[in-house]
Amino acid sequence: GAVVSQHPSRVICKSGTSVKIECRSLDFQATTMFWYRQFPKQSLMLMATSNEGSKATYEQGVEKDKFLINHASLTLSTLTVTSAHPEDSSFYICSARDGGGGSHTEAFFGQGTRLTVV
Amino acid sequence: KQEVTQIPAALSVPEGENLVLNCSFTDSAIYNLQWFRQDPGKGLTSLLLIQSSQREQTSGRLNASLDKSSGRSTLYIAASQPGDSATYLCAVNQGAQKLVFGQGTRLTINP
Repeated sequence: GAVVSQHPSRVICKSGTSVKIECRSLDFQATTMFWYRQFPKQSLMLMATSNEGSKATYEQGVEKDKFLINHASLTLSTLTVTSAHPEDSSFYICSARDGGGGSHTEAFFGQGTRLTVV
Repeated sequence: KQEVTQIPAALSVPEGENLVLNCSFTDSAIYNLQWFRQDPGKGLTSLLLIQSSQREQTSGRLNASLDKSSGRSTLYIAASQPGDSATYLCAVNQGAQKLVFGQGTRLTINP
């Protein structure tokens, strides 16, 4: 299957600082990528849809100024957690679809990033 | 609003047994359903994708079925092995490429 690479896999930062997470599609182009958040022992919740060359679409309740998304190329989307606080500590996972990104195609996920804010 | 439920939340069985994981969803208007595996602290590995027009998909020891009208899917694992221990998630695609996930079934295969 297609490969989605996420970096870093683990990051610890101090409160008030910003952290950038990268999501790359290695062997296909993705006009759309997705960012999910997962709390311990809970399922994934969609945060936002990242669109190449345009603004991201955020789900209800997700602060767009807190979670900045940039999708500058067909293979890279970044999520920046700004002014991080301990409650932002979580597991963040990105996904992308191959095959032109149509709704019928398979979704592939990155390895995830464990963010700890101290 | 689509809701996805997975039963059981946790399952522990001896090695070699065949087992079934269940997934139900409230809105049958879906494009497809996907089963994933997640190891602790890791991302998701796609196992099987079933389109809304399909009834089942098979990959090795895994078989997934879909009954869209009743809002149910099952993942059948044959001859389970300790390496199958993980959390299994099902997710439905309702369009706009967004996935709605269940809470997962934490599976433990005992040697």
